[in-house]
Amino acid sequence: GQNIDQPTEMTATEGAIVQINCTYQTSGFNGLFWYQQHAGEAPTFLSYNVLDGLEEKGRFSSFLSRSKGYSYLLLKELQMKDSASYLCAPSNDYKLSFGAGTTVTVRA
Amino acid sequence: EAGVAQSPRYKIIEKRQSVAFWCNPISGHATLYWYQQILGQGPKLLIQFQNNGVVDDSQLPKDRFSAERLKGVDSTLKIQPAKLEDSAVYLCASSLVRAPGELFFGEGSRLTVL
Repeated sequence: GQNIDQPTEMTATEGAIVQINCTYQTSGFNGLFWYQQHAGEAPTFLSYNVLDGLEEKGRFSSFLSRSKGYSYLLLKELQMKDSASYLCAPSNDYKLSFGAGTTVTVRA
Repeated sequence: EAGVAQSPRYKIIEKRQSVAFWCNPISGHATLYWYQQILGQGPKLLIQFQNNGVVDDSQLPKDRFSAERLKGVDSTLKIQPAKLEDSAVYLCASSLVRAPGELFFGEGSRLTVL
């Protein structure tokens, strides 16, 4: 199985930066995915890391350290529309296990 | 390009009744997944198909849940008999074989068991 730990909630101000940490334990690993889920909607794919390091994609970046079982998602220049749950999902043989998600609330 | 289609969007049943959910994946996506998402939790994989074969159903409660993808395109998930703890959103997702893990989700079917 895979133990996935991420904070339950985070609050930040519009225009600020927020970092969502995720630690995981998995018996096999071939990538770490991040998904965004707005309230009442389905998850949508945000980013994917397979090697150690930082992947940048516009305002969103994701970092992975395989040896530490650690990843983070960095959201820059926060906008109100970024208020959502962010799900960390390590992949074992390309089968994703999702964390419970971190609910980010962006305040004006 | 049309997304993943699911129906019904909402269903309310009493415990011990049966229910079926339908999913049509994105055209060309060979891999299809059914996830269960209970309120406040992340999605939990129930079953994964590649074409019409089952890749993983280790977390499917097989005494009451069944799923099929007979022609390798659309899929049906059935619960019989339903329990109160089955109240959840049932999410169908699909992906390309060459991009596993990049899932495209449908809007989900919200089940309430009374």
